[in-house]
Amino acid sequence: DSGVTQTPKHLITATGQRVTLRCSPRSGDLSVYWYQQSLDQGLQFLIQYYNGEERAKGNILERFSAQQFPDLHSELNLSSLELGDSALYFCASSVDVSGSYEQYFGPGTRLTVT
Amino acid sequence: GIQVEQSPPDLILQEGANSTLRCNFSDSVNNLQWFHQNPWGQLINLFYIPSGTKQNGRLSATTVATERYSLLYISSSQTTDSGVYFCVHQGGSQGNLIFGKGTKLSVKP
Repeated sequence: DSGVTQTPKHLITATGQRVTLRCSPRSGDLSVYWYQQSLDQGLQFLIQYYNGEERAKGNILERFSAQQFPDLHSELNLSSLELGDSALYFCASSVDVSGSYEQYFGPGTRLTVT
Repeated sequence: GIQVEQSPPDLILQEGANSTLRCNFSDSVNNLQWFHQNPWGQLINLFYIPSGTKQNGRLSATTVATERYSLLYISSSQTTDSGVYFCVHQGGSQGNLIFGKGTKLSVKP
């Protein structure tokens, strides 16, 4: 158990819908990263938050957004869902943003868009 | 960006065998980590190893930063070692990780 929790574990929804994925980082970790793993693109970085503020963006679509709350949990919002958004979404956390510390991954949320 | 080459791409072992997985980088890397993704999709931290050697049970890892490679040793492999092994480095200034294609390991009983 990495200490990072993600809910829900599985999500099945239809095209055009909107979903919210939730992540709670390890105790003491201020930095949260979101990653997407799809069959064709592999594991890709989406976005990072540190202590409530957005710090870096990767290959995140405009239909996707995220935020980190004062209690440090984070939510990833996916809207106008398409079939190609079906993937495993991971949240990871680390102590800071310097990259000098390990990132620990949650169990992931498996999203299926039908 | 930095190119990461993991070898071999696929590996089939008999239970009890030893193996070495290799990761080559095209340039110096930071925050090098090894992960195991099990067949259920869970990403498990194995080592944070920017340089030097670490051991954890049957697994050990060595990174030679000056020569731009890292090795993961698996001894006395077990079926539960099956999955994909990723060596991962920090790609951005904020510490986000860059994943390659990994090595897919299948351990047969």
